[in-house]
Amino acid sequence: QKEVEQNSGPLSVPEGAIASLNCTYSDRVSQSFFWYRQYSGKSPELIMSIYSNGDKEDGRFTAQLNKASQYVSLLIRDSQPSDSATYLCAAVTGGGNKLTFGTGTQLKVEL
Amino acid sequence: EAGVAQSPRYKIIEKRQSVAFWCNPISGHATLYWYQQILGQGPKLLIQFQNNGVVDDSQLPKDRFSAERLKGVDSTLKIQPAKLEDSAVYLCASSSLRDEQFFGPGTRLTVL
Repeated sequence: QKEVEQNSGPLSVPEGAIASLNCTYSDRVSQSFFWYRQYSGKSPELIMSIYSNGDKEDGRFTAQLNKASQYVSLLIRDSQPSDSATYLCAAVTGGGNKLTFGTGTQLKVEL
Repeated sequence: EAGVAQSPRYKIIEKRQSVAFWCNPISGHATLYWYQQILGQGPKLLIQFQNNGVVDDSQLPKDRFSAERLKGVDSTLKIQPAKLEDSAVYLCASSSLRDEQFFGPGTRLTVL
């Protein structure tokens, strides 16, 4: 099993809907998780970090961590066309803050 | 607060040539990372520095890649000689005490 896994998509949602992006992880990762947004041709941009079980909300974004089931998700409410991007899930692995990334999920928000 | 700076933004070289990339982290960030991102994949860590010491270089192809961070601030990553499969975006990131890493704009390398 890969340390961090994501469905590559694309995930298509209509404008205004809730987009749900999921990520599963193995026992080899720590309990620090991050979501990055990456527009085509650009570098990853940190949008959420989550360290404890439960939900964390920031504006239209909610990160959810479920340690028992080993998954972390990102919800985007009121999706906008500008949210169309690849979303990368990352987890700290090893002892030195090393990040291991998933392959990313491409999100398309359609008008 | 200024972000992570990288140069050049684009580089095209022929195989077997050498190339170097430069990175200046966010001011005060002790930890600096170099990642390689191949199209369609997530970034892969090549090397991690804490101040000017190497923390992790387990995935750095040491026969052709080298990196240094001499004064604990900026860093260079070198490839010599380059291979076709080195075509990728090379990303530099930095972090402070927390785990949150912030990326620079990256250098897109094309090896012909």
